Amino acid sequence: ETGVTQSPTHLIKTRGQQVTLRCSSQSGHNTVSWYQQALGQGPQFIFQYYREEENGRGNFPPRFSGLQFPNYSSELNVNALELDDSALYLCASSWGGRGANTGELFFGEGSRLTVL
Amino acid sequence: AQRVTQPEKLLSVFKGAPVELKCNYSYSGSPELFWYVQYSRQRLQLLLRHISRESIKGFTADLNKGETSFHLKKPFAQEEDSAMYYCALQGGTSYGKLTFGQGTILTVHP
Repeated sequence: ETGVTQSPTHLIKTRGQQVTLRCSSQSGHNTVSWYQQALGQGPQFIFQYYREEENGRGNFPPRFSGLQFPNYSSELNVNALELDDSALYLCASSWGGRGANTGELFFGEGSRLTVL
Repeated sequence: AQRVTQPEKLLSVFKGAPVELKCNYSYSGSPELFWYVQYSRQRLQLLLRHISRESIKGFTADLNKGETSFHLKKPFAQEEDSAMYYCALQGGTSYGKLTFGQGTILTVHP
């Protein structure tokens, strides 16, 4: 069984740039959720994708966008980067989505983004 | 709005002592509560969920709706319990969309 993998593990960008983070979900999972974890804080829900459609969004602006592919892998895109976007971005996969109890989330190790 | 509060950022105990990590929540409906744990150099993982009423690694947590709390307890702490612990809330049918607390770093001294 392959766990959740994320890439890249670390990256540095400057203000105004754009970034794409990638996530491969655990084998058998069809739902991917993205979280932002600022230093010293708990993870904060960004959005969730189920069967290639956005299935809920947290309090994040539209410059945070995502995709889910037919193999259930996912991307998180952030445009017009700001200094406050510096954080660890976590991807979590699960089975379920609408009408199902996804229960346990399986997290990746995260992508650490630094915005200068 | 839903909110999870973990009042202690740091908690230190000695091996064999009881430990309680506090978690309070705010949610108008019927929540599902979870405890997630992150050991050193490992990824975040589920420790237990209130709905299954299970004991994992000697830890238990009882959902108290009157006090809106979901404290994590273990009667005899072990050194390997040292980790970051997050309390998390899932509201209604918002499956997989968790609201996390800020976390408590537990250190168990020998």
